[in-house]
Amino acid sequence: EAGVAQSPRYKIIEKRQSVAFWCNPISGHATLYWYQQILGQGPKLLIQFQNNGVVDDSQLPKDRFSAERLKGVDSTLKIQPAKLEDSAVYLCASSLGAGRDTEAFFGQGTRLTVV
Amino acid sequence: DAKTTQPPSMDCAEGRAANLPCNHSTISGNEYVYWYRQIHSQGPQYIIHGLKNNETNEMASLIITEDRKSSTLILPHATLRDTAVYYCIVSRAAGNKLTFGGGTRVLVKP
Repeated sequence: EAGVAQSPRYKIIEKRQSVAFWCNPISGHATLYWYQQILGQGPKLLIQFQNNGVVDDSQLPKDRFSAERLKGVDSTLKIQPAKLEDSAVYLCASSLGAGRDTEAFFGQGTRLTVV
Repeated sequence: DAKTTQPPSMDCAEGRAANLPCNHSTISGNEYVYWYRQIHSQGPQYIIHGLKNNETNEMASLIITEDRKSSTLILPHATLRDTAVYYCIVSRAAGNKLTFGGGTRVLVKP
């Protein structure tokens, strides 16, 4: 079965510019996650969707970050405007659904460098 | 979700068993123990999970103490490709959020 697809793999932008990341989860997976991983740290959850509704966005910096999940399938994460401290790998993951005893599958991530 | 404590790093010899400890003393009765690993430049990969009983799959074994306050991930025959950061996570279910700590950086040496 196809895994979680993310694009682009790499992105370099200047501070104050905007950027968007795209994620296509595994078919049939109701739950989708976006994580931010700063170099040397574990991934930090930014937002969790259940179908097309937001379950948890408590750690999403809403003044500059936004995310949506179109029709409960694909998702985009946007940063506008970017800051130097946003340099990180952005990971998308999906799982069958809340309350289900199954694992989450991660994409390879998008490495963002803000200069 | 309960917090976990892991050693920051450990080395092990190729071909030997690697035993990775994790403390989760505040775990609740309905929380599972999950293990993921992250190989350099890749996304985290699921290894195994359990609630109360010990579990084994093709990748590893998970030993959970009777009081569930700690667990050990066992890689039975470590290979160089097992070099990675290993994360122990406590969560009500995979559909719930996975809160990653710093993990244990495992280096398998020839």
